[in-house]
Amino acid sequence: GQQLNQSPQSMFIQEGEDVSMNCTSSSIFNTWLWYKQEPGEGPVLLIALYKAGELTSNGRLTAQFGITRKDSFLNISASIPSDVGIYFCAGQGNYGGATNKLIFGTGTLLAVQP
Amino acid sequence: GAVVSQHPSRVICKSGTSVKIECRSLDFQATTMFWYRQFPKKSLMLMATSNEGSKATYEQGVEKDKFLINHASLTLSTLTVTSAHPEDSSFYICSAGRGGDGYTFGSGTRLTVV
Repeated sequence: GQQLNQSPQSMFIQEGEDVSMNCTSSSIFNTWLWYKQEPGEGPVLLIALYKAGELTSNGRLTAQFGITRKDSFLNISASIPSDVGIYFCAGQGNYGGATNKLIFGTGTLLAVQP
Repeated sequence: GAVVSQHPSRVICKSGTSVKIECRSLDFQATTMFWYRQFPKKSLMLMATSNEGSKATYEQGVEKDKFLINHASLTLSTLTVTSAHPEDSSFYICSAGRGGDGYTFGSGTRLTVV
């Protein structure tokens, strides 16, 4: 199945550091979403972006929808231990006639050392 | 709002038997639900789109006779893994949404076929 290119694959940082991850695609999306997944759980929505160029914040999280509609980034400021998890980007667009399918990125594993 | 309940959370079955997984939207109606499969340390791969009152739309490479999907009501979709084999062991996750608010995921089902 199709996946988005997400980088970095993993990050190991100290508490208090800022984190940045991004997703790129060869296809245009109408919506970009960022999710966090903890072990044994389903993904939880963090931020949704609906317009090219849009910059949205949710607490210490900030995400942007790229102007070309083919990329997005997520920043986490002042990381804390509970930020640990796998972060996924997801793009929503028109695939095979369906306008609401989500295609996921490959994921970024974040580890935060206290 | 937007709660999606998935059951069971874990199931172990014998090779050759069938297993049914339920996905319910608890506080909203979902004409469309999605089923994903996730291997350890990997991203979510869309298996199929479940459409209320009509046939599911399967992604390329997903066997529709193997993974039976029934979306009998606006709040319930089921995935049945038929004649399960050890290679079907995986984490299965459903999601549903109300259109413009992103998608809410269930907590996933860990299937182990022995």
